Amino acid sequence: GQNIDQPTEMTATEGAIVQINCTYQTSGFNGLFWYQQHAGEAPTFLSYNVLDGLEEKGRFSSFLSRSKGYSYLLLKELQMKDSASYLCAVRDSNYQLIWGAGTKLIIKP
Amino acid sequence: IAGITQAPTSQILAAGRRMTLRCTQDMRHNAMYWYRQDLGLGLRLIHYSNTAGTTGKGEVPDGYSVSRANTDDFPLTLASAVPSQTSVYFCASSELAGHTGELFFGEGSRLTVL
Repeated sequence: GQNIDQPTEMTATEGAIVQINCTYQTSGFNGLFWYQQHAGEAPTFLSYNVLDGLEEKGRFSSFLSRSKGYSYLLLKELQMKDSASYLCAVRDSNYQLIWGAGTKLIIKP
Repeated sequence: IAGITQAPTSQILAAGRRMTLRCTQDMRHNAMYWYRQDLGLGLRLIHYSNTAGTTGKGEVPDGYSVSRANTDDFPLTLASAVPSQTSVYFCASSELAGHTGELFFGEGSRLTVL
């Protein structure tokens, strides 16, 4: 079966750095996405990785290792507004998106 | 800029009733999708449409139907609602088919079936 694993919940301090991990087992691989979802709102796109390595976009970076079936989202200089759920999704060989259940990130002052 | 508009935003429905969730986009995207989101589970694809006039089944299509008469509209119908269809429903679109590129989501429709 296809599976995406993420921690259910994480807590971090304002101004700090947090790394949210995602491991996957899918039928083929055609890219990995990270989305942010604030409570009661729609998911919004954060990043896309299809090749190994780190993609940096401001305070957010996403890393991919295809051989390990592993990705992480790195958030720097955390702000209270970063409190949200972070969804990992993998596009499989049929170009379908398989979604993780999401990681709820709680930021404390 | 509206993007994707869903209606209603929230609805309580008696079991056995028919319900249509509306979704309209103004981005001229080819592909549209309906997902449901339940606590502790990832987003699950119900139905999708790669282009106007075509539709396909996703992971959890039973009890739901869709139509895509034109590019902009992609309604989701529950023919006879059951309590297990209580969920938050998200409509999404992407410029190209095959989940290529970024998905744009509507604000969601929270449906409770009693």
